[in-house]
Amino acid sequence: SQQGEEDPQALSIQEGENATMNCSYKTSINNLQWYRQNSGRGLVHLILIRSNEREKHSGRLRVTLDTSKKSSSLLITASRAADTASYFCATDVRGGSNYKLTFGKGTLLTVNP
Amino acid sequence: DSGVTQTPKHLITATGQRVTLRCSPRSGDLSVYWYQQSLDQGLQFLIQYYNGEERAKGNILERFSAQQFPDLHSELNLSSLELGDSALYFCASSVGTGGSYEQYFGPGTRLTVT
Repeated sequence: SQQGEEDPQALSIQEGENATMNCSYKTSINNLQWYRQNSGRGLVHLILIRSNEREKHSGRLRVTLDTSKKSSSLLITASRAADTASYFCATDVRGGSNYKLTFGKGTLLTVNP
Repeated sequence: DSGVTQTPKHLITATGQRVTLRCSPRSGDLSVYWYQQSLDQGLQFLIQYYNGEERAKGNILERFSAQQFPDLHSELNLSSLELGDSALYFCASSVGTGGSYEQYFGPGTRLTVT
């Protein structure tokens, strides 16, 4: 099973509404990152939150992290049609002395104009 | 534009063949990562190199291999290709190694095996 799993798998909202996506993970992490991917294109980094942080903001994005529940949420406020994309959370998983990012399967967000 | 370049953009080849995908990281980035993205498997981490050395390995098949050269560009070699290898292959780079560094993704190479 996935280290990081996003919920819901798909979300459809109207422009101007807020969109909330959740990510749950299984093992302890040091950092959690959110990425965005427009259809068929490369992923774009949105925000990184460290395990000792609870909340982080970047423009219209708000990320929370609850390490006790092993979950994170990404909130996009006042959504726009251009926010239509897939959103992935990525957690760092330790393998030996090194860490690698493990991505979830993503939430497909559709913002209708 | 992330600053990461990948060539070719598209590749169509037959089963049993071998292909090489190329990646140039952002200027100054020492880490290169390779990912495979397919509809059924999602985004799978394959392998990471840092300054020429292999640092982490993921779900990379034995038919696949990679290397990072002294100029820091990287190549992913896929051999004995099967239909199931059809996917988008992404390269990403970061300044350092580890989960505290954001990764910059290239535009990907779409591989179609027929």
